[in-house]
Amino acid sequence: GESVGLHLPTLSVQEGDNSIINCAYSNSASDYFIWYKQESGKGPQFIIDIRSNMDKRQGQRVTVLLNKTVKHLSLQIAATQPGDSAVYFCAETRGGADGLTFGKGTHLIIQP
Amino acid sequence: DAGVIQSPRHEVTEMGQEVTLRCKPISGHNSLFWYRQTMMRGLELLIYFNNNVPIDDSGMPEDRFSAKMPNASFSTLKIQPSEPRDSAVYFCASSVHSYEQYFGPGTRLTVT
Repeated sequence: GESVGLHLPTLSVQEGDNSIINCAYSNSASDYFIWYKQESGKGPQFIIDIRSNMDKRQGQRVTVLLNKTVKHLSLQIAATQPGDSAVYFCAETRGGADGLTFGKGTHLIIQP
Repeated sequence: DAGVIQSPRHEVTEMGQEVTLRCKPISGHNSLFWYRQTMMRGLELLIYFNNNVPIDDSGMPEDRFSAKMPNASFSTLKIQPSEPRDSAVYFCASSVHSYEQYFGPGTRLTVT
């Protein structure tokens, strides 16, 4: 039989509503926190990053919030569109030439 | 821009065979990363290079896995001998800044 796999958290939102995706990170030494979007059959795609000395950063339709006290990261997507349907991963890195440590991912589903 | 190029896109092989995955990073990017994605373990960093030099291979699961980067425009990930548990999607990514990595489309490996 098949192995038990990761059961990704799922967030279902109505088209046009705002979405909030949350992530808990573990490494206090990380200097950058990043959100990636992965559509079915594709590689992860960079959305937005935030440095550890900031608590909020805005992009186009997206906002990332960082709470270092509780090691929490969130991604807010405004006016969600069908094209936003994907799995969203948070990631962290110390920066420089270091690799990324990814979280488990959240599956965002857009209801028409 | 062509983006990160990976080949083959799909590979099916029998247990015990050697598998070689290939990656061409984006021109001008000085860091290259290999990741593996499975349902069980999510996205895992295997190894990364900076200026063609391996920096950290602590994520490589076993000695059966090896990676090379002979020049700035080419890298390989080799598995010898392959086992069914190596079945996964393998991604290559390149970057100038580690927090903004550009991922290839991935190679889906199936070992029977």
